Amino acid sequence: KAGVTQTPRYLIKTRGQQVTLSCSPISGHRSVSWYQQTPGQGLQFLFEYFSETQRNKGNFPGRFSGRQFSNSRSEMNVSTLELGDSALYLCASSLAPGAVGEQYFGPGTRLTVT
Amino acid sequence: DAKTTQPNSMESNEEEPVHLPCNHSTISGTDYIHWYRQLPSQGPEYVIHGLTSNVNNRMASLAIAEDRKSSTLILHRATLRDAAVYYCILSRSGAGSYQLTFGKGTKLSVIP
Repeated sequence: KAGVTQTPRYLIKTRGQQVTLSCSPISGHRSVSWYQQTPGQGLQFLFEYFSETQRNKGNFPGRFSGRQFSNSRSEMNVSTLELGDSALYLCASSLAPGAVGEQYFGPGTRLTVT
Repeated sequence: DAKTTQPNSMESNEEEPVHLPCNHSTISGTDYIHWYRQLPSQGPEYVIHGLTSNVNNRMASLAIAEDRKSSTLILHRATLRDAAVYYCILSRSGAGSYQLTFGKGTKLSVIP
């Protein structure tokens, strides 16, 4: 079956703009998590969605937000972009939240803020 | 959050076994131990997970110390495709949700 897909794969934005990233989970997976990866901080958890509800949130400012649709697809939005937001944004899907085991990651969206 | 400690890097010869260590001395009784790996320019890939007993799957084996304060990921025969950053992660499930807290990982180089 198809894996996790993320669009776009690459994005360049300027400071102050906002951006929306999209994630389509594996068919049948209802939980989607988002992570930010930077060389300095490594992989950091942003938030997790299940049944269109945010179930868990990492330690990121309110500029980072997300949502999930009824078909389990998820979007994350970053408003008022800062240079430090340049990162690889990864989403991961799993069958359900709290289901220990495999999370399947997408290839990521590389965001560059200039 | 419980933390994990891994060596920054390791090297292995191709077709030899690799033992990747991880210390997690503050692990709690309900924390699962996960291993993921990330190949260059890709998202992390699930390798294996366990709670108390040793685990085997087609990719690797996970050996968990009796006191659960450390674990070892075993790749039985390293190939060039196994060159990646390996992350040892503890996950704590609660309130119907859990998150993976990634550390710095171990960069494994495989020498032909």
